[in-house]
Amino acid sequence: GAVVSQHPSWVICKSGTSVKIECRSLDFQATTMFWYRQFPKQSLMLMATSNEGSKATYEQGVEKDKFLINHASLTLSTLTVTSAHPEDSSFYICRLLAGSTDTQYFGPGTRLTVL
Amino acid sequence: GEDVEQSLFLSVREGDSSVINCTYTDSSSTYLYWYKQEPGAGLQLLTYIFSNMDMKQDQRLTVLLNKKDKHLSLRIADTQTGDSAIYFCAESNDYKLSFGAGTTVTVRA
Repeated sequence: GAVVSQHPSWVICKSGTSVKIECRSLDFQATTMFWYRQFPKQSLMLMATSNEGSKATYEQGVEKDKFLINHASLTLSTLTVTSAHPEDSSFYICRLLAGSTDTQYFGPGTRLTVL
Repeated sequence: GEDVEQSLFLSVREGDSSVINCTYTDSSSTYLYWYKQEPGAGLQLLTYIFSNMDMKQDQRLTVLLNKKDKHLSLRIADTQTGDSAIYFCAESNDYKLSFGAGTTVTVRA
């Protein structure tokens, strides 16, 4: 069964609203979590890396005030897209590490559409 | 920064072998991965290879790594319709992953 869940799986919102996406590990503790975004027919682009209890490290070009990441516990990370605009419409995917490079899992993704 | 490139499309007849190629530039990569993504879904790890290996076989999947040329390939034997998907190669050396743009594999009857 799935070991990583994302909620919601899809969301449609109006421009200017904020959207929170949750990523949960179901049966392991994730020491490190990554957030990616994927535009249609493109590859995954890393947005930020977070370790439990510390601030996220953002990739160049990703606005930390717009994409708020909270790694609240070893089983939960949230990504909040603040004041969303149509150009933020994308597929957002989390990736979790369980302490070793061969124990990693991707979430099923969240499709965000901003009208 | 890291750069990973792969061909964008591959069409293969059902039952034939598929070969997807990938090149990367980071010589310090420690792991190289192949992921499968079906429409509207997240990524599924298919297989990975450590950089000191040159081949890994896992059932219908064979990964070949030429570290000198920084070339990675994935061979799928006896390709089935369920293998139609986008395949991403990725490399890492510090838990971060750099992805290629993905190869869309279409299996025709």
